[in-house]
Amino acid sequence: DQQVKQNSPSLSVQEGRISILNCDYTNSMFDYFLWYKKYPAEGPTFLISISSIKDKNEDGRFTVFLNKSAKHLSLHIVPSQPGDSAVYFCAASKITGNQFYFGTGTSLTVIP
Amino acid sequence: KAGVTQTPRYLIKTRGQQVTLSCSPISGHRSVSWYQQTPGQGLQFLFEYFSETQRNKGNFPGRFSGRQFSNSRSEMNVSTLELGDSALYLCASSPVLAGGGDTQYFGPGTRLTVL
Repeated sequence: DQQVKQNSPSLSVQEGRISILNCDYTNSMFDYFLWYKKYPAEGPTFLISISSIKDKNEDGRFTVFLNKSAKHLSLHIVPSQPGDSAVYFCAASKITGNQFYFGTGTSLTVIP
Repeated sequence: KAGVTQTPRYLIKTRGQQVTLSCSPISGHRSVSWYQQTPGQGLQFLFEYFSETQRNKGNFPGRFSGRQFSNSRSEMNVSTLELGDSALYLCASSPVLAGGGDTQYFGPGTRLTVL
């Protein structure tokens, strides 16, 4: 049972434009969310997180938005750069819990 | 600080064999989690070890097992390998139990191919 879903396996964006990656979850008990970026032949690297007490968290070009009522979060990358081309995973957990649940990933390609 | 290391990076085995993968967490991290990544399935949680004890387990058969040593290094063992076990196996470490509002840091993974 996939509790965290990324319904877009791939996304292509022109350099300089905005990239929007989406993630949906089914468990209303999740209250901590993360995005990871993964390059080929490397492990995922932490990008940005958000707890359920916020609806937005920003770090440079990366912003994560959380819509708790819709059980939806999104990652915005502005402006997109070719080096952002990677697979992006969202993950969720309960702060009091002991496991992260990952989505299936979205492969982002930023076209120069 | 050195990151999470995994050995070996690549492994080829045949069906029926067994395999042991190793993970050294970031210094000071006591939690090690293992994940299996296959195309289209994302990262599937295998198990987590904290202070040498398995704290949580995913939905995998008993052929998958692990352990953690007193220095927090962890090993994962897969017995009686099947073709479907071909995957990237990732380990992640964190200072506290995973999911507790903290971040996990991943190693580069071990690519296992079962022929």
